[in-house]
Amino acid sequence: DADVTQTPRNRITKTGKRIMLECSQTKGHDRMYWYRQDPGLGLRLIYYSFDVKDINKGEISDGYSVSRQAQAKFSLSLESAIPNQTALYFCATSDLKGTGTQYFGPGTRLLVL
Amino acid sequence: DQQVKQNSPSLSVQEGRISILNCDYTNSMFDYFLWYKKYPAEGPTFLISISSIKDKNEDGRFTVFLNKSAKHLSLHIVPSQPGDSAVYFCAASASNDYKLSFGAGTTVTVRA
Repeated sequence: DADVTQTPRNRITKTGKRIMLECSQTKGHDRMYWYRQDPGLGLRLIYYSFDVKDINKGEISDGYSVSRQAQAKFSLSLESAIPNQTALYFCATSDLKGTGTQYFGPGTRLLVL
Repeated sequence: DQQVKQNSPSLSVQEGRISILNCDYTNSMFDYFLWYKKYPAEGPTFLISISSIKDKNEDGRFTVFLNKSAKHLSLHIVPSQPGDSAVYFCAASASNDYKLSFGAGTTVTVRA
């Protein structure tokens, strides 16, 4: 079984709709992250959480919100989706101790029409 | 302002030859560097890393070199195999916050 899972894997939605992307992990890691990938731009950090009570904005947080429901669960919401939020979204985790190597989920492909 | 740059979007190499991927960074606080490999429809997977206290790290066919004075690192794959065809991302972090900054990626194609 995968250590980091994301649901849904693919989603098509319309402009203005609210959607939630979910991430679960069985690695026991404290830290969780949400990234988006766009062609030619690599992965950019949206939000990150170092524990259940800690939520931090990344470099591109506008238009997004997150919820850390438990150590193992971290959700990303688009309150009112817009077409330029069409992208690949990845969740990642890392251990509080150690080097900070991050481990990624399989991604969610989102299309906003 | 992108702090990690991979200036070659693509690389084509013959099977059995060496693949060399390059990465430059601008933030002098970065002290940990990683390479990730990504296949289509999958998430990035950790490949190899290096701490700033070293200048070389090897793991099988993969070697990462770090030149701190030039703020440059490279990934060598020897010999290249068809299964190495993927997108490779360079990433860097500072030990004070552990957030990763990623390059734009290099698509490697290994020709038979």
